[in-house]
Amino acid sequence: EAQVTQNPRYLITVTGKKLTVTCSQNMNHEYMSWYRQDPGLGLRQIYYSMNVEVTDKGDVPEGYKVSRKEKRNFPLILESPSPNQTSLYFCASSPRYNYGYTFGSGTRLTVV
Amino acid sequence: KNEVEQSPQNLTAQEGEFITINCSYSVGISALHWLQQHPGGGIVSLFMLSSGKKKHGRLIATINIQEKHSSLHITASHPRDSAVYICAVSGTGNQFYFGTGTSLTVIP
Repeated sequence: EAQVTQNPRYLITVTGKKLTVTCSQNMNHEYMSWYRQDPGLGLRQIYYSMNVEVTDKGDVPEGYKVSRKEKRNFPLILESPSPNQTSLYFCASSPRYNYGYTFGSGTRLTVV
Repeated sequence: KNEVEQSPQNLTAQEGEFITINCSYSVGISALHWLQQHPGGGIVSLFMLSSGKKKHGRLIATINIQEKHSSLHITASHPRDSAVYICAVSGTGNQFYFGTGTSLTVIP
């Protein structure tokens, strides 16, 4: 089944403890991206990747890192999480930029 | 800054009604997207369009590039259409901008 898989689905962590949210797609898509969703603010783009080894900042990249060492994986790294990074995170992929997007199921992160 | 504005924010309709959700944007775009988010949280891409009109089942999306406006119509609405509908635009600089969503409730 064609899908974008995010892990974990739920995560509670403490301030400052490094964490990684994984995102993997099995559709050979070139474009991948990360978003966060907050009440009243909607979805905002964090980082995106046009292809392997090509990443760029979205609207709200501060406090996040990404890497794209292979086509299928695009992990989101929070090196020193803070409570303002408590949010619902989505990963998405697309054959290329501006084709239809497939979203992962989301990761609900709480930083205490 | 609100690159994408949606209206209404909330909408309640009776089953069978014709529904329209509007989206206006202020940036240059390469495409406009309509997304659906169900109460469980998952997001599904409904349409991507850069001109004209697209139809999928009971859903119709239109865009007017000159007026920087798009509409999503749902004909013969059904309770299973209850969801949040999100308008998003792909900017010309490879970035995405999202509206805050329209929460639709269809009552049987």
